[in-house]
Amino acid sequence: GDSVTQTEGLVTLTKGLPVMLNCTYQTTYSPFLFWYVQHLNEAPKLLLKSSTDNKRTEHQGFYATLHKSSSSFHLQKSSVQLSDSALYFCALSDRGSALGRLHFGAGTQLIVIP
Amino acid sequence: EAAVTQSPRNKVTVTGGNVTLSCRQTNSHNYMYWYRQDTGHGLRLIHYSYGAGNLQIGDVPDGYKATRTTQEDFFLLLELASPSQTSLYFCASSDEGAQDTQYFGPGTRLLVL
Repeated sequence: GDSVTQTEGLVTLTKGLPVMLNCTYQTTYSPFLFWYVQHLNEAPKLLLKSSTDNKRTEHQGFYATLHKSSSSFHLQKSSVQLSDSALYFCALSDRGSALGRLHFGAGTQLIVIP
Repeated sequence: EAAVTQSPRNKVTVTGGNVTLSCRQTNSHNYMYWYRQDTGHGLRLIHYSYGAGNLQIGDVPDGYKATRTTQEDFFLLLELASPSQTSLYFCASSDEGAQDTQYFGPGTRLLVL
Protein backbone atom coordinates (compact mmCIF):
# COMPACT_ATOMS: atom_id res chain seq x y z
CA GLY A 1 0.00 0.00 0.00
CA ASP A 2 0.89 3.67 -0.03
CA SER A 3 3.44 4.86 2.52
CA VAL A 4 5.72 7.74 3.40
CA THR A 5 9.11 7.55 5.09
CA GLN A 6 10.81 10.39 6.91
CA THR A 7 14.20 9.16 8.02
CA GLU A 8 15.06 11.87 10.55
CA GLY A 9 13.09 12.08 13.74
CA LEU A 10 14.98 15.08 15.02
CA VAL A 11 17.14 17.67 13.30
CA THR A 12 18.96 20.35 15.29
CA LEU A 13 20.59 23.22 13.42
CA THR A 14 22.15 26.57 14.09
CA LYS A 15 20.33 29.60 12.75
CA GLY A 16 21.43 30.60 9.26
CA LEU A 17 22.43 27.13 8.12
CA PRO A 18 20.70 25.23 5.29
CA VAL A 19 18.39 22.32 5.99
CA MET A 20 17.05 19.36 4.07
CA LEU A 21 14.36 17.13 5.52
CA ASN A 22 14.05 13.83 3.75
CA CYS A 23 10.84 12.34 2.42
CA THR A 24 10.45 9.25 0.27
CA TYR A 25 7.25 7.53 -0.68
CA GLN A 26 5.78 4.37 -2.12
CA THR A 27 2.70 4.27 -4.28
CA THR A 28 1.46 2.45 -7.33
CA TYR A 29 -0.50 5.50 -8.42
CA SER A 30 0.40 8.95 -9.65
CA PRO A 31 1.68 10.76 -6.54
CA PHE A 32 0.57 14.05 -5.03
CA LEU A 33 2.93 15.11 -2.22
CA PHE A 34 2.47 17.58 0.60
CA TRP A 35 4.52 19.12 3.39
CA TYR A 36 2.63 20.19 6.50
CA VAL A 37 4.18 22.16 9.36
CA GLN A 38 3.06 22.13 12.98
CA HIS A 39 4.36 24.70 15.41
CA LEU A 40 4.26 24.05 19.13
CA ASN A 41 0.70 23.82 20.48
CA GLU A 42 -0.77 24.57 17.09
CA ALA A 43 -2.58 22.59 14.42
CA PRO A 44 -0.77 21.31 11.34
CA LYS A 45 -1.06 23.53 8.29
CA LEU A 46 -0.06 23.17 4.68
CA LEU A 47 3.39 24.40 3.75
CA LEU A 48 3.56 23.32 0.12
CA LYS A 49 2.38 20.64 -2.30
CA SER A 50 3.17 19.26 -5.73
CA SER A 51 2.27 16.63 -8.26
CA THR A 52 4.55 17.82 -11.08
CA ASP A 53 7.69 15.82 -11.71
CA ASN A 54 10.98 17.72 -11.50
CA LYS A 55 9.38 21.08 -10.81
CA ARG A 56 10.44 23.07 -7.76
CA THR A 57 7.64 24.44 -5.61
CA GLU A 58 8.28 27.14 -3.02
CA HIS A 59 6.55 28.80 -0.10
CA GLN A 60 7.78 30.96 2.76
CA GLY A 61 11.40 30.32 1.86
CA PHE A 62 10.99 26.55 1.84
CA TYR A 63 11.15 24.57 -1.38
CA ALA A 64 10.77 21.01 -2.57
CA THR A 65 10.99 19.16 -5.87
CA LEU A 66 9.05 16.00 -6.62
CA HIS A 67 11.32 13.41 -8.21
CA LYS A 68 9.30 10.46 -9.40
CA SER A 69 12.44 8.62 -10.51
CA SER A 70 13.64 8.41 -6.91
CA SER A 71 10.23 8.65 -5.22
CA SER A 72 11.37 11.63 -3.20
CA PHE A 73 10.05 15.01 -2.11
CA HIS A 74 12.69 16.48 0.20
CA LEU A 75 12.03 19.80 1.93
CA GLN A 76 14.80 22.40 1.86
CA LYS A 77 15.58 25.88 3.01
CA SER A 78 18.77 27.79 2.41
CA SER A 79 18.92 29.57 5.75
CA VAL A 80 16.85 28.46 8.73
CA GLN A 81 15.45 30.89 11.26
CA LEU A 82 14.47 30.42 14.89
CA SER A 83 10.82 30.60 13.85
CA ASP A 84 11.28 27.53 11.65
CA SER A 85 11.47 25.34 14.73
CA ALA A 86 8.48 23.01 14.29
CA LEU A 87 7.34 19.52 13.43
CA TYR A 88 7.29 18.83 9.69
CA PHE A 89 5.16 16.13 8.09
CA CYS A 90 5.44 14.78 4.60
CA ALA A 91 2.21 13.34 3.20
CA LEU A 92 1.11 11.43 0.12
CA SER A 93 -2.32 11.51 -1.39
CA ASP A 94 -4.10 8.41 -2.51
CA ARG A 95 -5.16 9.26 -6.01
CA GLY A 96 -5.85 5.66 -6.83
CA SER A 97 -9.19 5.49 -5.13
CA ALA A 98 -12.25 7.64 -5.55
CA LEU A 99 -12.09 8.61 -1.89
CA GLY A 100 -9.32 10.99 -0.98
CA ARG A 101 -7.10 10.55 2.02
CA LEU A 102 -3.53 11.33 2.98
CA HIS A 103 -0.79 9.04 4.21
CA PHE A 104 1.45 10.91 6.64
CA GLY A 105 5.05 10.23 7.53
CA ALA A 106 6.07 10.04 11.18
CA GLY A 107 7.32 13.62 11.13
CA THR A 108 10.65 15.38 11.60
CA GLN A 109 11.15 17.72 14.52
CA LEU A 110 13.32 20.67 13.48
CA ILE A 111 14.97 22.65 16.26
CA VAL A 112 16.84 25.81 15.34
CA ILE A 113 19.26 27.18 17.92
CA PRO A 114 20.82 30.65 18.06
CA GLU B 1 -9.10 30.48 5.39
CA ALA B 2 -11.21 27.46 6.21
CA ALA B 3 -12.47 27.31 9.77
CA VAL B 4 -12.54 24.05 11.72
CA THR B 5 -13.51 24.00 15.37
CA GLN B 6 -13.31 21.20 17.88
CA SER B 7 -14.84 20.62 21.29
CA PRO B 8 -13.96 20.00 23.96
CA ARG B 9 -10.37 21.20 23.81
CA ASN B 10 -9.39 19.08 26.77
CA LYS B 11 -11.07 16.02 28.23
CA VAL B 12 -10.28 13.69 31.09
CA THR B 13 -12.17 10.44 31.51
CA VAL B 14 -11.73 7.10 33.21
CA THR B 15 -11.18 3.69 31.71
CA GLY B 16 -14.48 2.41 30.38
CA GLY B 17 -15.91 5.87 30.08
CA ASN B 18 -17.92 7.21 27.18
CA VAL B 19 -16.47 10.16 25.23
CA THR B 20 -17.69 12.13 22.25
CA LEU B 21 -15.42 14.52 20.41
CA SER B 22 -17.06 17.08 18.17
CA CYS B 23 -15.86 18.79 15.02
CA ARG B 24 -17.52 21.46 12.93
CA GLN B 25 -16.39 23.08 9.70
CA THR B 26 -18.12 26.07 8.21
CA ASN B 27 -16.76 26.00 4.68
CA SER B 28 -19.06 23.41 3.15
CA HIS B 29 -16.15 21.06 2.60
CA ASN B 30 -17.05 17.59 1.43
CA TYR B 31 -14.36 15.66 3.26
CA MET B 32 -13.78 15.46 7.00
CA TYR B 33 -11.18 13.46 8.87
CA TRP B 34 -10.31 12.36 12.38
CA TYR B 35 -6.65 11.82 13.27
CA ARG B 36 -4.78 10.99 16.40
CA GLN B 37 -1.29 12.30 17.02
CA ASP B 38 1.19 10.48 19.21
CA THR B 39 4.91 11.03 19.54
CA GLY B 40 6.79 8.89 17.07
CA HIS B 41 3.72 8.01 15.04
CA GLY B 42 2.83 11.23 13.34
CA LEU B 43 -0.78 11.69 12.32
CA ARG B 44 -2.76 8.50 12.07
CA LEU B 45 -6.12 8.42 10.34
CA ILE B 46 -8.96 6.99 12.40
CA HIS B 47 -12.07 7.61 10.27
CA TYR B 48 -13.08 9.92 7.48
CA SER B 49 -16.14 10.90 5.52
CA TYR B 50 -16.96 12.44 2.17
CA GLY B 51 -20.44 13.62 3.06
CA ALA B 52 -23.32 13.47 5.48
CA GLY B 53 -24.12 9.89 6.38
CA ASN B 54 -20.92 8.54 4.83
CA LEU B 55 -18.15 6.90 6.83
CA GLN B 56 -14.84 5.43 5.75
CA ILE B 57 -12.45 3.45 7.90
CA GLY B 58 -8.95 4.75 8.36
CA ASP B 59 -5.79 3.05 9.57
CA VAL B 60 -6.44 2.85 13.32
CA PRO B 61 -10.23 2.47 13.71
CA ASP B 62 -10.34 -0.05 16.57
CA GLY B 63 -12.16 1.32 19.59
CA TYR B 64 -13.58 4.29 17.70
CA LYS B 65 -16.87 5.02 16.03
CA ALA B 66 -17.65 8.09 13.98
CA THR B 67 -20.72 9.73 12.59
CA ARG B 68 -21.19 12.53 10.06
CA THR B 69 -24.56 14.00 10.82
CA THR B 70 -24.43 16.98 8.48
CA GLN B 71 -22.10 18.54 5.97
CA GLU B 72 -20.63 20.56 8.83
CA ASP B 73 -20.49 18.13 11.75
CA PHE B 74 -18.34 15.07 12.33
CA PHE B 75 -18.23 13.24 15.66
CA LEU B 76 -15.78 10.74 17.09
CA LEU B 77 -17.12 8.33 19.73
CA LEU B 78 -15.14 6.32 22.22
CA GLU B 79 -17.69 4.07 23.90
CA LEU B 80 -15.34 2.22 26.23
CA ALA B 81 -12.31 4.43 26.57
CA SER B 82 -8.96 2.83 27.33
CA PRO B 83 -5.63 4.39 28.43
CA SER B 84 -4.20 3.56 25.00
CA GLN B 85 -6.59 6.15 23.57
CA THR B 86 -4.91 8.94 25.49
CA SER B 87 -3.80 11.18 22.68
CA LEU B 88 -4.14 14.47 20.83
CA TYR B 89 -7.03 14.30 18.37
CA PHE B 90 -7.30 16.47 15.28
CA CYS B 91 -10.20 16.95 12.99
CA ALA B 92 -9.60 18.21 9.46
CA SER B 93 -11.61 19.07 6.40
CA SER B 94 -10.95 19.46 2.70
CA ASP B 95 -13.05 20.32 -0.29
CA GLU B 96 -12.16 17.70 -2.86
CA GLY B 97 -10.24 15.12 -0.87
CA ALA B 98 -6.93 13.66 -1.95
CA GLN B 99 -5.50 16.54 -3.92
CA ASP B 100 -6.87 19.33 -1.83
CA THR B 101 -5.45 21.08 1.19
CA GLN B 102 -6.61 19.74 4.52
CA TYR B 103 -7.50 22.34 7.15
CA PHE B 104 -7.03 21.22 10.71
CA GLY B 105 -8.90 22.14 13.85
CA PRO B 106 -7.08 23.17 17.05
CA GLY B 107 -7.11 19.66 18.50
CA THR B 108 -8.57 17.92 21.55
CA ARG B 109 -6.33 16.53 24.26
CA LEU B 110 -7.84 13.39 25.74
CA LEU B 111 -6.55 11.73 28.88
CA VAL B 112 -7.95 8.34 29.85
CA LEU B 113 -7.08 7.41 33.41
